[in-house]
Amino acid sequence: DAKTTQPTSMDCAEGRAANLPCNHSTISGNEYVYWYRQIHSQGPQYIIHGLKNNETNEMASLIITEDRKSSTLILPHATLRDTAVYYCIVRVRNSSSNTGKLIFGQGTTLQVKP
Amino acid sequence: NAGVTQTPKFRILKIGQSMTLQCAQDMNHNYMYWYRQDPGMGLKLIYYSVGAGITDKGEVPNGYNVSRSTTEDFPLRLELAAPSQTSVYFCASWGLRGEKLFFGSGTQLSVL
Repeated sequence: DAKTTQPTSMDCAEGRAANLPCNHSTISGNEYVYWYRQIHSQGPQYIIHGLKNNETNEMASLIITEDRKSSTLILPHATLRDTAVYYCIVRVRNSSSNTGKLIFGQGTTLQVKP
Repeated sequence: NAGVTQTPKFRILKIGQSMTLQCAQDMNHNYMYWYRQDPGMGLKLIYYSVGAGITDKGEVPNGYNVSRSTTEDFPLRLELAAPSQTSVYFCASWGLRGEKLFFGSGTQLSVL
């Protein structure tokens, strides 16, 4: 699986958009970009994923560059409850011929401030 | 569905003791994983399984063993506990057609 690079930490003002970048310059054509977050010591929580196109759901938006070498997770209106560690992961799609392992990096600690 | 269930939630072991961390999922998922997370660090993959009877090593398998006799259960065994195994352990599962990794709530283990 391709490796990812994320900033160690970021701050965001409450109510503003939080933009979390991720570099994955060695990503392969069949690898998806996934975002998870971990609040305090809970189990990681799925946020969003994508392959080529930008994606949006009720939690966030995912913007993937055209060359797929980087992406940005956008939390449109950050709240204090969004304070967490955010992990960007690239992963080969599950199939009978691969294991689909998820390798977590260090992630970005997002601190949302009042 | 209960999702992914881990037991116990907390445990303190003495050096050299053994124990089994239990993990069960009721979503009929083929893929299951064990991760550990040391304080202030990211998750490290210990072992994983792609189906009953099939397991393989992850990044940090030393000191652990796993088995997968059924689709539902994926226990993690510590044979001779060491202080270096003090960590939070997370179990996770993923279906073959699924798009999300589901995590359990974790087991906090201290080896003293």
